[in-house]
Amino acid sequence: DTGVSQDPRHKITKRGQNVTFRCDPISEHNRLYWYRQTLGQGPEFLTYFQNEAQLEKSRLLSDRFSAERPKGSFSTLEIQRTEQGDSAMYLCASSSTPHRDGYTFGSGTRLTVV
Amino acid sequence: LAKTTQPISMDSYEGQEVNITCSHNNIATNDYITWYQQFPSQGPRFIIQGYKTKVTNEVASLFIPADRKSSTLSLPRVSLSDTAVYYCLVGDQDNNAGNMLTFGGGTRLMVKP
Repeated sequence: DTGVSQDPRHKITKRGQNVTFRCDPISEHNRLYWYRQTLGQGPEFLTYFQNEAQLEKSRLLSDRFSAERPKGSFSTLEIQRTEQGDSAMYLCASSSTPHRDGYTFGSGTRLTVV
Repeated sequence: LAKTTQPISMDSYEGQEVNITCSHNNIATNDYITWYQQFPSQGPRFIIQGYKTKVTNEVASLFIPADRKSSTLSLPRVSLSDTAVYYCLVGDQDNNAGNMLTFGGGTRLMVKP
């Protein structure tokens, strides 16, 4: 297993367009998290899955954001009608239950909305 | 959620020991203390985790006093490659209360030659 994979690494889109990011977690991890990070700030929690169930959503997650994890494997994060304020690094992480080694993060997808 | 406070930045020199202290006065009984390291354009990387007393691994040591209201990450003999942002997090690792790990602003460590 090569860790948590995120695709694409970089995405430039025009304001108003929809974008979708993919995360492939470590195969034996049943928990998956999405975080968002802007320059100079720590990562902010967006949402959390245990297997295929989305158990937590941050108040930061507007209705333009949606996340799925079909069959409890990979996950997608979609942003509809992107805004310039959506420009950030989107990080995915996974962990096992119960975990004692923290989260394993991917390298992130950097989104730039122009 | 227990909030953490840590210095915004620290400078050190190669070969020195670096200690970064984190305050978490409202830590709950089920909370663990976890430290992450982040390089630019990468996701955070788990360094060490502990509940009480001292934990040591091949990378760092974590010192936690009896009251658990603070913790200190100790990096022995740092090198230039240790220049990064270090985050202290406090949370229920089993998420029994839906307590997601919350990152603060972190400590920017600059190691100089």
